[in-house]
Amino acid sequence: DGGITQSPKYLFRKEGQNVTLSCEQNLNHDAMYWYRQDPGQGLRLIYYSQIVNDFQKGDIAEGYSVSREKKESFPLTVTSAQKNPTAFYLCASSPQFSTDTQYFGPGTRLTVL
Amino acid sequence: GESVGLHLPTLSVQEGDNSIINCAYSNSASDYFIWYKQESGKGPQFIIDIRSNMDKRQGQRVTVLLNKTVKHLSLQIAATQPGDSAVYFCAENKGYKYIFGTGTRLKVLA
Repeated sequence: DGGITQSPKYLFRKEGQNVTLSCEQNLNHDAMYWYRQDPGQGLRLIYYSQIVNDFQKGDIAEGYSVSREKKESFPLTVTSAQKNPTAFYLCASSPQFSTDTQYFGPGTRLTVL
Repeated sequence: GESVGLHLPTLSVQEGDNSIINCAYSNSASDYFIWYKQESGKGPQFIIDIRSNMDKRQGQRVTVLLNKTVKHLSLQIAATQPGDSAVYFCAENKGYKYIFGTGTRLKVLA
């Protein structure tokens, strides 16, 4: 069963803590992406990776970090520097970077306590 | 459930009727467009796509229309069913990057 998985589904963070959101895909896609979704707004790009061992900042990268050590994995760390981290986080992947269709995971809801 | 649907325009449709959801896109150079469906608390699900060299594309119960003159995209759902209730949003591909619309909530009335 191929697809994109994200864990955990719900995550609670105390102020000052770093937390890491997991994203795994078994679609053999080269490109992976992290988006943030807030009520009433379109998805905003945090980071993207065109290929393993490469990643680039998106539009709202401040306070976030990523790694891409394996093709199938693209974890996102929300650091204490992110001032408003409460949001729904979506991971996506596409066969290649650029115009390929992006397919999304089920999302992680992060809440700061 | 997820609160992503707050403050969104809502379209209410009687079960069995056709639905039309509209989207205005921003860049006349965009050459690829996607419609996604997002149910509460879940990730967006691909519905249908269209490239800029086409005006219309049909899928199963869904049709996407592209009007490049006025930068307008629409999604038509035939014989709307309760399972179609969700937030629908469009995405345009501008070079490497996608720009996502805020979405429309579709409510199907029994």
